[in-house]
This record gives sequence, structure tokens and C-alpha cells, in this order.
Amino acid sequence: DAGVIQSPRHEVTEMGQEVTLRCKPISGHNSLFWYRQTMMRGLELLIYFNNNVPIDDSGMPEDRFSAKMPNASFSTLKIQPSEPRDSAVYFCASSLGQGNIEQYFGPGTRLTVT
Amino acid sequence: AQSVTQLGSHVSVSEGALVLLRCNYSSSVPPYLFWYVQYPNQGLQLLLKYTSAATLVKGINGFEAEFKKSETSFHLTKPSAHMSDAAEYFCAVIHSGSARQLTFGSGTQLTVLP
Repeated sequence: DAGVIQSPRHEVTEMGQEVTLRCKPISGHNSLFWYRQTMMRGLELLIYFNNNVPIDDSGMPEDRFSAKMPNASFSTLKIQPSEPRDSAVYFCASSLGQGNIEQYFGPGTRLTVT
Repeated sequence: AQSVTQLGSHVSVSEGALVLLRCNYSSSVPPYLFWYVQYPNQGLQLLLKYTSAATLVKGINGFEAEFKKSETSFHLTKPSAHMSDAAEYFCAVIHSGSARQLTFGSGTQLTVLP
């Protein structure tokens, strides 16, 4: 099993640019989560999907952030326009759902906005 | 709302010594509890989980944790530290009544001294 795949692993962009982060969950998993990790705030849940449907996006910082899951094997997290305070490591995780609650994390995308 | 508190943001032990990382939870209903490990520049890896079965849970790499309801604790232990155990460890909780939102503690950085 390839595990959760995220791309890119590193992204450096200038303030104001659009950034798109990508995630491929483990095949067969029906729940997908986006997290952000910073020194100041630790690990925060941004949004999660169940069967491709967004269930809770209350963790999304503001309207500049959006996430989609067009099918069971792909999700994106977009920031437009990006700001320096968005610099963080963004993790995607997936789980089987139902009674299987453990989440499996991808390697993360380290985003730097200058 | 559920939460976890990790006591000690940094813990240092000598190689071969006991590892004890503390986690206390707050939940009004039976929680599901997890320990994750994060090595530098990597994603989070599940060490072990408690889901209301046995109170003593054994995980990977020789780690174990004991769920103590009377103390609202779920401390992580390992009898003998190895240099390769140096990493950041996160305790996390899922409210058993919710979908499956993980709430993480602030993390404990474990240093293993030679």
C-alpha cells in the first residue's frame, strides 16, 4: 500500500499567489482530513470529508482557503491569495470510516509564503 | 468538547532508561485515545490506540499506554529508550459520540541521550 500521497512536498511562493496542495488518500478509505501544523498553534483540523462530501469546515481559517474532493481518490486544498502567515506544514490524512477510526497521515507539504 | 493535555513539552532520557510521556484527557463521554509519533520532516505515524477494549494497550516499537479513567490519563511508556525513539509524540482524542475528529495535544519532544 502506497499510503497517503501528498504533493508537492515543498512549496515556496510569494505573497498573493495561489497555492494548491494535493492529496491522494489510501484506496478504500472514505474519510479524508486536512490538518495544518505550526509552531504557534500545533496541529489543527481544517476540514474533513466523508464519502467526498465536506462534513465540517469550521477549522478553515478564512475565505482564502477552500478544499474540494471531486472523487474518492483525490482532494485539493487551495489558498488564494496566499499570505506569509499561511506558512506551515499541511497534512492530509485518511481513514476507513465506520468503526475504523484511526487516521493515516501523509508526509505533509511544507508551505513557505514569502 | 474533548481535549488532551500533554505535560512537558520536552522530555530527555538516557538511552536504556524508562520513557514516560504524560497525557490527560477531558471528555464527558468515553473517549477514543491515540498516540502518534512524528519524526523530523515526516508525517504522523500511529503508535497505538485505545477504543474501550483492554485498558493496557500495546503499540509498535515497544511502546504501551494505560487508560486510567479515574485519573483521566493515557500516559505512554517504554521500558528502555533507544536512540531511534527521539521524535515528537502527540496524544490525541476522538469524541466517541462524534464523527471522527481528532483533537491533538501540543506534543512532547523526546530527546534520548547517549
